[in-house]
Amino acid sequence: QVQLVESGGGVVQPGTSLSLSCAASGFNFNTYDMHWVRQAPGKGLEWILFISYTGNKKQSADSVRGRFTISRDNSKNTVYLQMNSLRPEDTAVYYCCAGSDYDLTFWGQGSLVTVPS
Amino acid sequence: QSALTQPPSASGSPGQSVTISCTGGSSDVGGYNYVSWYRQHPGKAPKLVIYEVTKRPSGVPDRFSGSKSGNTASLTVSGLQADDEADYYCCSYAGSNNLVFGGGTRLTVL
Repeated sequence: QVQLVESGGGVVQPGTSLSLSCAASGFNFNTYDMHWVRQAPGKGLEWILFISYTGNKKQSADSVRGRFTISRDNSKNTVYLQMNSLRPEDTAVYYCCAGSDYDLTFWGQGSLVTVPS
Repeated sequence: QSALTQPPSASGSPGQSVTISCTGGSSDVGGYNYVSWYRQHPGKAPKLVIYEVTKRPSGVPDRFSGSKSGNTASLTVSGLQADDEADYYCCSYAGSNNLVFGGGTRLTVL
């Protein structure tokens, strides 16, 4: 069955960096666009990053532009999130999602990133 | 990239229907037929229930339906069941590979 498994979350200090990975299985990964969506504790969903199925198109939300980057390795069925200059307001559960430009068909279980103030 | 507007709460009795609205602008909801809806139970990952305004993914019951008029999209859940109690989020394409979510609606089954 379809699985997206995020890893790499944890507690990190403000100003530092962290990288998340998302391993995909059960579907044809290299034909799906990928996204990262986050959810702060007790808050709603926030879309933050997109990468096309080939990896040649990327987009980011204003809130993370210049600090977070998305990449993928289709040979490893994995998408990555590199987070730099982390802030307390980046504390959230980070979900990787597979879909199209327009929707998020499959979701991972999420990985918690905590940046204490 | 302003969030779409959803009512914070909605409710209905078992068997009834409830409709949740999602209002954006001409650069997102009104500009594209790419509105999707997600259901999230507490502590769980969201799940896609409607995509491209009206389409249901395989396995989603036909009790879930979507529509759009102008800058407002809507999700209707018919024949309410206890398991429908959850948070519901709309999401719209906003051009140039951007997506924007609504603030979410907590649906309570009375």
